[in-house]
Amino acid sequence: QQPVQSPQAVILREGEDAVINCSSSKALYSVHWYRQKHGEAPVFLMILLKGGEQKGHDKISASFNEKKQQSSLYLTASQLSYSGTYFCGTPLGGRSQGNLIFGKGTKLSVKP
Amino acid sequence: EAQVTQNPRYLITVTGKKLTVTCSQNMNHEYMSWYRQDPGLGLRQIYYSMNVEVTDKGDVPEGYKVSRKEKRNFPLILESPSPNQTSLYFCASSLSGVGYTFGSGTRLTVV
Repeated sequence: QQPVQSPQAVILREGEDAVINCSSSKALYSVHWYRQKHGEAPVFLMILLKGGEQKGHDKISASFNEKKQQSSLYLTASQLSYSGTYFCGTPLGGRSQGNLIFGKGTKLSVKP
Repeated sequence: EAQVTQNPRYLITVTGKKLTVTCSQNMNHEYMSWYRQDPGLGLRQIYYSMNVEVTDKGDVPEGYKVSRKEKRNFPLILESPSPNQTSLYFCASSLSGVGYTFGSGTRLTVV
């Protein structure tokens, strides 16, 4: 029931782009994205609602394809500050946002 | 300052000794949740609450209890801790279920 994230880890040089994918075997009504830096708590980035919309947060954007039951997070021109573990989450109960289930995470390392 | 406060930050205890990890938020949030984080497993939900006196099980509720007697507090209770409950625990809260604010975490070791 956990959403599946890929890749598990990625290493980038500053300025390079990356894509992190999140997919589910169950219908998705929304996808939440969080970033956790080493030794810190997760921080909310954005929520994607059904309809294929795309949202952005600085140079980080995401898309949501309801039919394919997947979401992708795009990191453009990566900066050192983007390093961390990215989690996607989806409400297990459908529309209820209380039962938020996260994937196992994608560790992103940005090198100078 | 708007925040979620967990206590303690670090705890080492022995098997079977009951303990409580407190969580308090000052944002008047409806939703609160507990997660545990283990290497390679991500964040797994233990319990969640959508309002006072309304709680429900998450993915891994076994061995844990919670209560929500007032909106701001959501304590996590381990009645008889075991070594497999050694983990990093996060409490989180949200006004509507979108954009959770996480506490700083509680690192629990059960020996």
